[in-house]
Amino acid sequence: DQQVKQNSPSLSVQEGRISILNCDYTNSMFDYFLWYKKYPAEGPTFLISISSIKDKNEDGRFTVFLNKSAKHLSLHIVPSQPGDSAVYFCAALAHLNTGTASKLTFGTGTRLQVTL
Amino acid sequence: DAGVIQSPRHEVTEMGQEVTLRCKPISGHDYLFWYRQTMMRGLELLIYFNNNVPIDDSGMPEDRFSAKMPNASFSTLKIQPSEPRDSAVYFCASSPGALTYNEQFFGPGTRLTVL
Repeated sequence: DQQVKQNSPSLSVQEGRISILNCDYTNSMFDYFLWYKKYPAEGPTFLISISSIKDKNEDGRFTVFLNKSAKHLSLHIVPSQPGDSAVYFCAALAHLNTGTASKLTFGTGTRLQVTL
Repeated sequence: DAGVIQSPRHEVTEMGQEVTLRCKPISGHDYLFWYRQTMMRGLELLIYFNNNVPIDDSGMPEDRFSAKMPNASFSTLKIQPSEPRDSAVYFCASSPGALTYNEQFFGPGTRLTVL
């Protein structure tokens, strides 16, 4: 039962264009979302996050949008660069009443290829 | 700091053999996580430790899997006996706090192949 879904296993975008990576979730308790980037033979690294109290968070070329009613978030990369070619993982967690957080639940990843 | 260190980077073994994966977290980090990455399920949390104590092992697939953290600088994930379906990339990660997911640092992973 995948609570976080990335339905596009791969995406190819031309350099300079916008890359849009999508993520859907099913657990309404999730209130914090993260994107991780992973290069081959390396571990994932944190990229950007968003809290459920916001609908947008921007960091340079990277913007994450959250649509809570649709349980959907997306990562926009503008403009895309060849160095952005990597696997991108969407992840989510829920903050609990105990003051702790649930474990991170990851999607299956989307492989982005930015072509020249 | 060298970051999270994992060994070996690659492991090929035969079905039924014991496999031990090793991890050295970043010094000063109180939390250590073991993840498994597969094509079908993405990244799954297997177990995590806080101050060397296992907190949540609900992700450990079955009794063949066990993890230990004898001290703050070392952890192992053991599979005994190994099976072909255990083939995956196993990541170790550490963080200074449970809620600081932005600061969860991953190691390079161990690619396990069970023949």
